[in-house]
Amino acid sequence: DAKTTQPTSMDCAEGRAANLPCNHSTISGNEYVYWYRQIHSQGPQYIIHGLKNNETNEMASLIITEDRKSSTLILPHATLRDTAVYYCIVRSTGANSKLTFGKGITLSVRP
Amino acid sequence: DGGITQSPKYLFRKEGQNVTLSCEQNLNHDAMYWYRQDPGQGLRLIYYSQIVNDFQKGDIAEGYSVSREKKESFPLTVTSAQKNPTAFYLCASSAFKALMNTEAFFGQGTRLTVV
Repeated sequence: DAKTTQPTSMDCAEGRAANLPCNHSTISGNEYVYWYRQIHSQGPQYIIHGLKNNETNEMASLIITEDRKSSTLILPHATLRDTAVYYCIVRSTGANSKLTFGKGITLSVRP
Repeated sequence: DGGITQSPKYLFRKEGQNVTLSCEQNLNHDAMYWYRQDPGQGLRLIYYSQIVNDFQKGDIAEGYSVSREKKESFPLTVTSAQKNPTAFYLCASSAFKALMNTEAFFGQGTRLTVV
């Protein structure tokens, strides 16, 4: 599975959109982009995933560039409860796909 | 309720003792995973299993062992050979349908402290 690169941390104001970037320049054609988040001392929570089209659900939107080498997770109206570590992962559809996490980006939402 | 359960939440052991962490899921998921997380760090993969009676080493398998005798269970044993076993351990599961991996669901973790 390809590796991802994320900034170490970022912050945003409560109520504003949080745009979390991720680079995955070595992504291959059968690899999906997944986002998870982890609130302190809890298990990670699935947010969203996509292949090449932009995706939206009740939690967030995922924007994937046309060349698929980067993506952005958008939390449209960040709240204090969105403060967490966010992990961007690329994962193949193959049977032995490992689901490998990096260090993620720490998002701090300020009042 | 469907989900993935890890027990216990907190575990203390003396150095040199083996300890087994439990992970059970009732989601009928094919794949299960074990991760280790140290303070301020991301998750590192220990072992994973895609089907019953089969498992593969992850990135940091040394000092750990697993079994997958039942689809719903994937216990992790931290052996005395693991040099620094104190950590937060997370178990996850995911379905594997039509050659596509789906999202993974995580347990709430077991915090192991070896003294």
